[in-house]
Amino acid sequence: EDQVTQSPEALRLQEGESSSLNCSYTVSGLRGLFWYRQDPGKGPEFLFTLYSAGEEKEKERLKATLTKKESFLHITAPKPEDSATYLCAVQASSQGGSEKLVFGKGTKLTVNP
Amino acid sequence: DAGVIQSPRHEVTEMGQEVTLRCKPISGHNSLFWYRQTMMRGLELLIYFNNNVPIDDSGMPEDRFSAKMPNASFSTLKIQPSEPRDSAVYFCASSYQGQGTDTQYFGPGTRLTVL
Repeated sequence: EDQVTQSPEALRLQEGESSSLNCSYTVSGLRGLFWYRQDPGKGPEFLFTLYSAGEEKEKERLKATLTKKESFLHITAPKPEDSATYLCAVQASSQGGSEKLVFGKGTKLTVNP
Repeated sequence: DAGVIQSPRHEVTEMGQEVTLRCKPISGHNSLFWYRQTMMRGLELLIYFNNNVPIDDSGMPEDRFSAKMPNASFSTLKIQPSEPRDSAVYFCASSYQGQGTDTQYFGPGTRLTVL
């Protein structure tokens, strides 16, 4: 069974204090790993897709990286507006082209001014 | 462009009543997903459709839940009868499968409370 584990569950940072969120996964053939951001009372907002080990993608203060067992979301010099829950999800290649995503429970990030 | 549209945004009902949630996917997308989000279990896929055909309904909790997609621009998720444990936020998402990327875009969700 495909599984995604995110750590830590919650993270508090001071503005400007860089850190990383972890997403560990087990999947029978990775088709893609997705990062989403979710603000309270809203739906998840797409950030990145990573397809193969060694791949990196960046957007503003965020950089996502991928290995064969985990992904990291690095946040450089965060600002209060980066406060949100960050969700990781995997899509397996073993299910005949299935688009099914399996999500982790997320990391709730709070950035204090 | 309009994103995924869901209605209602909030629904409060009593145990035993029928609940219908509605979703309009992004125009041109050919896959539609229904998810449920709770604090305990996180975000779980209930069912998804491709070209209006149900592909995987293994996440539908039981026979009280049913979903339909009569055309490419509309889908419903129905719970009958509803129970307090169905209280959650229900999300609809859509994607276009076929361009090499099948990113799912989520709607704002329907917060369901069953008393």
